[in-house]
Amino acid sequence: EIVMTQTPLSSPVTLGQPASISCRSSQSLVHSDGNTYLSWLQQRPGQPPRLLIYRISNRVSGVPDRFSGSGAGTDFTLKISRVEAEDVGVYYCMQGTQFPRTFGQGTKVEIK
Amino acid sequence: QVQVVESGGGVVQPETSLRLSCAASGFIFSRHAVHWVRQAPGKGLEWVTSISYDENYENYADSVQGRFTISRDSSKNTVYLQMNSLKPDDTAVYYCARGRDGSLDSWGQGTLVTVSS
Repeated sequence: EIVMTQTPLSSPVTLGQPASISCRSSQSLVHSDGNTYLSWLQQRPGQPPRLLIYRISNRVSGVPDRFSGSGAGTDFTLKISRVEAEDVGVYYCMQGTQFPRTFGQGTKVEIK
Repeated sequence: QVQVVESGGGVVQPETSLRLSCAASGFIFSRHAVHWVRQAPGKGLEWVTSISYDENYENYADSVQGRFTISRDSSKNTVYLQMNSLKPDDTAVYYCARGRDGSLDSWGQGTLVTVSS
């Protein structure tokens, strides 16, 4: 099983300031088809998860461009360029390269 | 629009069974895998199981292997999760999600399963 490790687990951020979340996998997420199936999800309080980014850096339609994803192999990052109040919630990375699918522990983004 | 709606949750005793349903609409059901993901109270996300678009492949988390069974009925655009021998540790909100391009791109609101004596 691929273990996904996120840091930090909590990220207090000032409104308008950037935030960054790291996600590391215990083995390479490069699939035999050449793609890397690493996605990022947001879960606002009391809401189901919502897909933000897939295949490392592809933003889902409707997701603000202040969200960006990067990385390769085993190291990935989600960045929020300027945090807004609606960004409060828990962010998860997930690998879709191998079964079982696995998630990071989640990173709680809150406003200072 | 794409929608998945879970139902069937409730309060059950340990070692009993429950069947959850996930009704899909707004997309071509037969072209997508469907996954179940659960979230215990106050905890993170745990992938449970998935079924391929053509029903040929099923995958399970070790924690539910042999107790849970996923199936799909294309005539009803519905995926089922049969849960047997339920344990208190199975208590969680169960989400259904559409699979796409290695991600889970559409999620339902979830259905709560509570296993307690």
